[in-house]
Amino acid sequence: EPEVTQTPSHQVTQMGQEVILRCVPISNHLYFYWYRQILGQKVEFLVSFYNNEISEKSEIFDDQFSVERPDGSNFTLKIRSTKLEDSAMYFCASPGGLDSPEQYFGPGTRLTVT
Amino acid sequence: QKEVEQDPGPLSVPEGAIVSLNCTYSNSAFQYFMWYRQYSRKGPELLMYTYSSGNKEDGRFTAQVDKSSKYISLFIRDSQPSDSATYLCAMRKETSGSRLTFGEGTQLTVNP
Repeated sequence: EPEVTQTPSHQVTQMGQEVILRCVPISNHLYFYWYRQILGQKVEFLVSFYNNEISEKSEIFDDQFSVERPDGSNFTLKIRSTKLEDSAMYFCASPGGLDSPEQYFGPGTRLTVT
Repeated sequence: QKEVEQDPGPLSVPEGAIVSLNCTYSNSAFQYFMWYRQYSRKGPELLMYTYSSGNKEDGRFTAQVDKSSKYISLFIRDSQPSDSATYLCAMRKETSGSRLTFGEGTQLTVNP
C-alpha cells in the first residue's frame, strides 16, 4: 500500500495558538486531501488541493484554516487561533495513482487544544 | 437526512463467523464505494473499493453494491480476532478529485 506520512503524531497546544500540521503525500500526484475526525465521530472532509490550489473545501474549512505546499514534497495544514473544538485527529490523504479514485490515508496527527 | 448512514454497532461475533457490514446512502451521484478499516487513533486503512454496482472479492472480504437500493455491504468470511476494528464505508462521485463522504463506522469485535 502506498505510504503517506504525517508529523507530528501528537500536538498539544493552548487555545488561541497557531499550529501547523505536516504531510508527505504519495509523490507525483496532483490531488491531496485533509480530513479530520473528532473523537468518537465520523471522518469529515476539510479540503482538497489540486495543482497548488484549493480545489474544494467544506463548511468546516473556514478562515482559520489554510493549506500550502511549501515545497515539492510537503503539504501543510495551518490552523490559526485554535479553539477547543479543533481537538481531533487530522488525516492527510493521497490518491493511489494519477487517475485512481481510491485515497490512502496517513497515520494522522492528534491535535489536543487545551 | 445524512448522505451516508452506517449502524455504529457495536457488533460482536465468535471467531469463524461470517460478518455483514452495511451502509445506505442518499446521493445518487456516488459512483465509487470504499471500505476502510480503522484501529483506535490510527488512520483509515483501505480494504477495497468498487465502482458502480456489483461484487468484488479479495480473500476473505467481499464488497457488494446495489445502486438501485442505495445499499452497500462488506462481508467478512471466517472472521478472525485480528479483524476486530472499526469498519468505515466511504463513497465519492465520479468527478476527478472528489471528496470522500464517510459513514459513522461500525465497531466489530471478533471473540476467540
